[in-house]
Amino acid sequence: DVQLTQSPSSLSASVGDRVTITCRASQSISRYLNWYQLKPGNAPKLLIYAASNLQTGVPSRFSGSGSGTDFTLTISNLQREDLATYYCQQSYRTPYFFGLGTKVEI
Amino acid sequence: QVQLQQWGAGLVKPSETLSLTCAVYGGSFTAYSWHWIRQSPGRGLEWIGQINHSGSTRYSPSLQNRVTISIDTSRSQFSLTLTSVTAADTAVYFCARESGGWTRFDYWGQGTQIAVSS
Repeated sequence: DVQLTQSPSSLSASVGDRVTITCRASQSISRYLNWYQLKPGNAPKLLIYAASNLQTGVPSRFSGSGSGTDFTLTISNLQREDLATYYCQQSYRTPYFFGLGTKVEI
Repeated sequence: QVQLQQWGAGLVKPSETLSLTCAVYGGSFTAYSWHWIRQSPGRGLEWIGQINHSGSTRYSPSLQNRVTISIDTSRSQFSLTLTSVTAADTAVYFCARESGGWTRFDYWGQGTQIAVSS
């Protein structure tokens, strides 16, 4: 199984800050890594797919990078509406594990 | 506009069977694979399994002895059953569409809170 280690588990930042979340895979997964935003009471929202591709309709302040085992989600110019929990997900092989999440507090 | 609408009983007794259905509106139903994913406070997001239009399935090894995903292409619906539930199966359950070659989940149902309790 391809496990994911996500860090930090939570962070506090201010509006306008640049925030970085990391995700490390237990083995190389090329670029098969997606990022989601989850707000309470809502369904997860796809932000980034294939490590660095911005999903249609997602603000450009979200970006992703990495390949192999190490990946990063960056939120530049943090907005209040970005208060949420962020998850990485490997799509290299089943079972499609998710990271344990990073809660972003404003 | 693609919409996934899901429903099912929100309270299930221990040892009984959980059943959920997800209906897809808009877009092509047979061109995609369809997934079930759950979220619980202690375990985050957990992939349950998937099905394609021909009925081919894959399941999480941790649940495969208890889970069945089925599909009804005539109604653009797919369903989840999970047998012998315990408190550990208490979670919010989501249906989702897999899009493209990177197995990304681009459309999701609204989620159904399932509580396992007597």
